[in-house]
Amino acid sequence: GEDVEQSLFLSVREGDSSVINCTYTDSSSTYLYWYKQEPGAGLQLLTYIFSNMDMKQDQRLTVLLNKKDKHLSLRIADTQTGDSAIYFCAERFNAGNNRKLIWGLGTSLAVNP
Amino acid sequence: EAGVTQSPTHLIKTRGQQATLRCSPISGHTSVYWYQQALGLGLQFLLWYDEGEERNRGNFPPRFSGRQFPNYSSELNVNALELEDSALYLCASSLRGAGANVLTFGAGSRLTVL
Repeated sequence: GEDVEQSLFLSVREGDSSVINCTYTDSSSTYLYWYKQEPGAGLQLLTYIFSNMDMKQDQRLTVLLNKKDKHLSLRIADTQTGDSAIYFCAERFNAGNNRKLIWGLGTSLAVNP
Repeated sequence: EAGVTQSPTHLIKTRGQQATLRCSPISGHTSVYWYQQALGLGLQFLLWYDEGEERNRGNFPPRFSGRQFPNYSSELNVNALELEDSALYLCASSLRGAGANVLTFGAGSRLTVL
């Protein structure tokens, strides 16, 4: 069945790069998304990538997509304490007349000063 | 532009009661989604409404229901509350059609069932 998997925790030092990984199972995905959730808040879109792209860069964020391995990663350069949050990966694909969105469980990023 | 707004922010109920949560989407968005985020369980899809119709439903019992109004705002109703219904309920809205259809989330309504 459809599934999106992420590691649950990641701890980095301030100023280092963080890499959050995500794997998905459905090969017919159209878009893949990264969202950020700070404590007590809703989810905020960070970036998304269309499935025919390999890479997307947006300031400190770099998304890499390996379609062959169904692997998506989010790299945060120069990680700051304000980046501490839960990061969710989501995959969208077409299922008949509907579009389905499958979410990972989220990776909790802790940034240590 | 106002974002997705949800009310109430917090709600405390007792077992067996009913809860009603409300969501106003971003202006111009016709699709509204409801998710349950319980501790340790990630985001669980509840319901998707578009143009006033229920388009898809997650794996939740019928006591979870909702509707979408002509102005595209939406209501989530939870009947016969159980302790395990305690969670953060997130609403999101999006455009519908071709393209990324990015979901924009509200801050959530935290429901506590005692």
